[in-house]
Amino acid sequence: DTAVSQTPKYLVTQMGNDKSIKCEQNLGHDTMYWYKQDSKKFLKIMFSYNNKELIINETVPNRFSPKSPDKAHLNLHINSLELGDSAVYFCASSLARVYTFGSGTRLTVV
Amino acid sequence: KQEVTQIPAALSVPEGENLVLNCSFTDSAIYNLQWFRQDPGKGLTSLLLIQSSQREQTSGRLNASLDKSSGRSTLYIAASQPGDSATYLCAVPTDSWGKLQFGAGTQVVVTP
Repeated sequence: DTAVSQTPKYLVTQMGNDKSIKCEQNLGHDTMYWYKQDSKKFLKIMFSYNNKELIINETVPNRFSPKSPDKAHLNLHINSLELGDSAVYFCASSLARVYTFGSGTRLTVV
Repeated sequence: KQEVTQIPAALSVPEGENLVLNCSFTDSAIYNLQWFRQDPGKGLTSLLLIQSSQREQTSGRLNASLDKSSGRSTLYIAASQPGDSATYLCAVPTDSWGKLQFGAGTQVVVTP
């Protein structure tokens, strides 16, 4: 299936831990994104990579570090997790500004 | 700065009624506008994409119109079904790299 897939789907962890979320797309898109959906369901962009180069870096704590090993993968590593990091994180990809989103990773920090 | 607003925030209709969802944007210089559907606990599914040069786009029971000059798009869903219950989001790219600005969404409930 052609898609944007992200793992894990659910992640429950304690404050202070470090965790990673992985994303892969097989659509041949050249740009990938991480979006965060908070408790009020509002979606905001965090990062974007184009052909492995970081092109968008919104005002995000530097505990969040994206990594793109190739243009089909974009991972998100989060250090020293805080309660406020609890949210749903969506990966997306695009080509010619047409977007496809993954199914999301629900992160709960306890 | 582009701002996207969706009205109403929530909508409940009986099955069979037509749905009208509104999206407005402050900067009319958009490249395209995309409508998404989000089911509870799920990801976003792209429904329709309207390019800036288009006035409307149709897919099955869905029709989306675009009026750039007035900064509005409307999503019509004909003959609603309980399976149409979801949150509907509109979004526009705000820069050449495609950063999307989303509206807050309209939560739709279709009752049998």
